[in-house]
Amino acid sequence: DARVTQTPRHKVTEMGQEVTMRCQPILGHNTVFWYRQTMMQGLELLAYFRNRAPLDDSGMPKDRFSAEMPDATLATLKIQPSEPRDSAVYFCASGKNYNEQFFGPGTRLTVL
Amino acid sequence: AQKITQTQPGMFVQEKEAVTLDCTYDTSDPSYGLFWYKQPSSGEMIFLIYQGSYDQQNATEGRYSLNFQKARKSANLVISASQLGDSAMYFCAMREEQGRDDKIIFGKGTRLHILP
Repeated sequence: DARVTQTPRHKVTEMGQEVTMRCQPILGHNTVFWYRQTMMQGLELLAYFRNRAPLDDSGMPKDRFSAEMPDATLATLKIQPSEPRDSAVYFCASGKNYNEQFFGPGTRLTVL
Repeated sequence: AQKITQTQPGMFVQEKEAVTLDCTYDTSDPSYGLFWYKQPSSGEMIFLIYQGSYDQQNATEGRYSLNFQKARKSANLVISASQLGDSAMYFCAMREEQGRDDKIIFGKGTRLHILP
């Protein structure tokens, strides 16, 4: 049963520290998405890739966030430096066809 | 303007009754897709059903069906014979296909409570 995996599942860090979240998309999927979910804003698209190329990262604060896909099996989302307002659940999702998008379990980030 | 509107922040429904969760959308793109996701308290996002704008039939998946009314720009989710395990947050989402974009925009969600 193929699934999107994300690590870590939970992360608590102090303000100013670097945070790296990792995602392994489902094998064969060519699109990868990063979302952030908060109570106030709901689900926000941060960035997405098709065939490892970044297509849109307009939802991402550029000064501190960066998203990359070093290879087809790994996507990363980095925050440096982290701030308390970055506390949220970060989801990765992948898809192969236009009518599907499968989510990972999420990384719950708490920045103190 | 919001692309996806879910007007019901919360709903309470008796077990075994049918449930309709409302979703309206806004797009000028003639080609688009509509999704529904379920998010239980465990936090995962579970894909439920998809409807393409050119699909002739309403999508169905088991107890889930999508009541697609294109002229009214609505894509309501219908859950038949509700179960306690259906209690969760439900999100409607849309993908606009102009420019071969893969972005999916989500609504704010509806929290469904199934009562025993």
